[in-house]
Amino acid sequence: GENVEQHPSTLSVQEGDSAVIKCTYSDSASNYFPWYKQELGKGPQLIIDIRSNVGEKKDQRIAVTLNKTAKHFSLHITETQPEDSAVYFCAAYSTYGGNQFYFGTGTSLTVIP
Amino acid sequence: GAGVSQTPSNKVTEKGKYVELRCDPISGHTALYWYRQSLGQGPEFLIYFQGTGAADDSGLPNDRFFAVRPEGSVSTLKIQRTERGDSAVYLCASSSGTNTGELFFGEGSRLTVL
Repeated sequence: GENVEQHPSTLSVQEGDSAVIKCTYSDSASNYFPWYKQELGKGPQLIIDIRSNVGEKKDQRIAVTLNKTAKHFSLHITETQPEDSAVYFCAAYSTYGGNQFYFGTGTSLTVIP
Repeated sequence: GAGVSQTPSNKVTEKGKYVELRCDPISGHTALYWYRQSLGQGPEFLIYFQGTGAADDSGLPNDRFFAVRPEGSVSTLKIQRTERGDSAVYLCASSSGTNTGELFFGEGSRLTVL
């Protein structure tokens, strides 16, 4: 099955700086890679996603890059704000194998005002 | 409702008891997932429904865990003879079932087994 690894587990940045979270996956059949933000006591919420036929996607201050050859993808948050503080999860999904989402172990991001 | 609804939000039970956790997905969503999340970990897959049938239950840890979705909407996760190690947040998510793939999560049911 798929194995998703996520780094770092914790990340602290100054407000206004950029934050980068990286994930690797093992199953070359995975073709959809969402990123979720989870605030305390809430369920994860999708913030951005990318499909395997695209190398990069951007939505305002958030961007995701995908390197299929190396099997890794990254989340980039620019101009961080205190409200960006949360736990972020990457995930990998394959429509060809079980329709499961495999999640990374999460990154706790703290943005220091 | 507007989103995925899970009840109860918190459940405290004693070791050996039976519990049921309920998930009400977004109306019209055919795909429903159950995940388990332990402290400091990512969601761990338990079971996936497409309509009324369990399309993949390979994540259920043992035969004490069972889930149903009899009418293709509401789902119930059932845990028999609970153990302390079952303590976790149980998350339910639904999606439209198309290749869009976006999951919409509920806020979870926090289970504590004493």
